Amino acid sequence: GNSVTQMEGPVTLSEEAFLTINCTYTATGYPSLFWYVQYPGEGLQLLLKATKADDKGSNKGFEATYRKETTSFHLEKGSVQVSDSAVYFCALSLNTGGFKTIFGAGTRLFVKA
Amino acid sequence: DGGITQSPKYLFRKEGQNVTLSCEQNLNHDAMYWYRQDPGQGLRLIYYSQIVNDFQKGDIAEGYSVSREKKESFPLTVTSAQKNPTAFYLCASSIVGGNQPQHFGDGTRLSIL
Repeated sequence: GNSVTQMEGPVTLSEEAFLTINCTYTATGYPSLFWYVQYPGEGLQLLLKATKADDKGSNKGFEATYRKETTSFHLEKGSVQVSDSAVYFCALSLNTGGFKTIFGAGTRLFVKA
Repeated sequence: DGGITQSPKYLFRKEGQNVTLSCEQNLNHDAMYWYRQDPGQGLRLIYYSQIVNDFQKGDIAEGYSVSREKKESFPLTVTSAQKNPTAFYLCASSIVGGNQPQHFGDGTRLSIL
């Protein structure tokens, strides 16, 4: 079946550290891939997306590259800030089966000043 | 500004009671979704709808019901048959299509009295 696996959190970093949150997926067909961010007490917001192999999504200093050969979509940021503390969700969506989106379990990030 | 509005933000249910969570969008999206989020877990799909007067069960539909009488509105009823309703409920909408991101409301937190 289709699934998304993220690294378990929480991830704790100091300000200005490099961030990687790993995400791998299993899918039949060719999914679109997304990263969403959730701040406390709020809904999810789209952070970035990639719709085909080798695409790079980027936004607010975050980047992720769609790697078909390794079925991965790892999230990276070169220098995190305290304001980046949130829960990050990797997700995939297929062009079949009702276009449902499948979410990973989420990775909580804490950034210390 | 366009967006999704969920109400109320907090809701309490008594034993044997049905409660209805409201979700309204002014993004002109055809597709709408309801998710349940439990602490430390990802999102689980309850119901989704891709067009007015039609909706489909998601992965955990038992104990829930929905209606889609208007494009803008997709209310969720948590019935007394749902024995463990305490959770954070998120509504989302999107353009129909596998490469389209979802837009989320700020959620409703439901608790049992």
